[in-house]
Amino acid sequence: ETGVTQTPRHLVMGMTNKKSLKCEQHLGHNAMYWYKQSAKKPLELMFVYNFKEQTENNSVPSRFSPECPNSSHLFLHLHTLQPEDSALYLCASSQDPEASKGGYTFGSGTRLTVV
Amino acid sequence: AQSVTQLGSHVSVSEGALVLLRCNYSSSVPPYLFWYVQYPNQGLQLLLKYTSAATLVKGINGFEAEFKKSETSFHLTKPSAHMSDAAEYFCAVSVFNKFYFGSGTKLNVKP
Repeated sequence: ETGVTQTPRHLVMGMTNKKSLKCEQHLGHNAMYWYKQSAKKPLELMFVYNFKEQTENNSVPSRFSPECPNSSHLFLHLHTLQPEDSALYLCASSQDPEASKGGYTFGSGTRLTVV
Repeated sequence: AQSVTQLGSHVSVSEGALVLLRCNYSSSVPPYLFWYVQYPNQGLQLLLKYTSAATLVKGINGFEAEFKKSETSFHLTKPSAHMSDAAEYFCAVSVFNKFYFGSGTKLNVKP
């Protein structure tokens, strides 16, 4: 069983809705990440948190708002999304910052559909 | 700039045949290298990683990869494909504390 749990697994939301994705890691890792995986596109790193502090924001639109209340939990708050935001959103964690040596542990993802 | 190239977005093999998935990278310094597998509707799972120890790395599910510095390659192999190996495989490179994923190779295993 993966040490990174994401909820919900599937989410359908309208463009005017507000929803949140949740991620929890049970591995004692110090860094957490949000990735976006769209069809026919490479994995896109969205946000990076090291020791609860955001260290990277890769020009993500403000309609995506991350929150990291502690080293084990990560949220992605969504509002006024567009259909092109439909994708698989993956949470990951790593022991070392930037996953440079140990790599990532990924959750199973949230499949988001914006209608 | 660093980059990861996976040759072949789709690879098809027969059950029992050799699996070879290719990965080449560009890096000005020795990188750390990874292979991940993604089954449908799942996240990515680490298969194996190279972190400057032995150049031949063994991973889970019978997969292995060899780091060849002279060829800047880190190809993934498995001697005998199983139906359960059908998935998408991603090569990744870590250098200067930055992670770079390849675009992925979908492996189809024919009975």
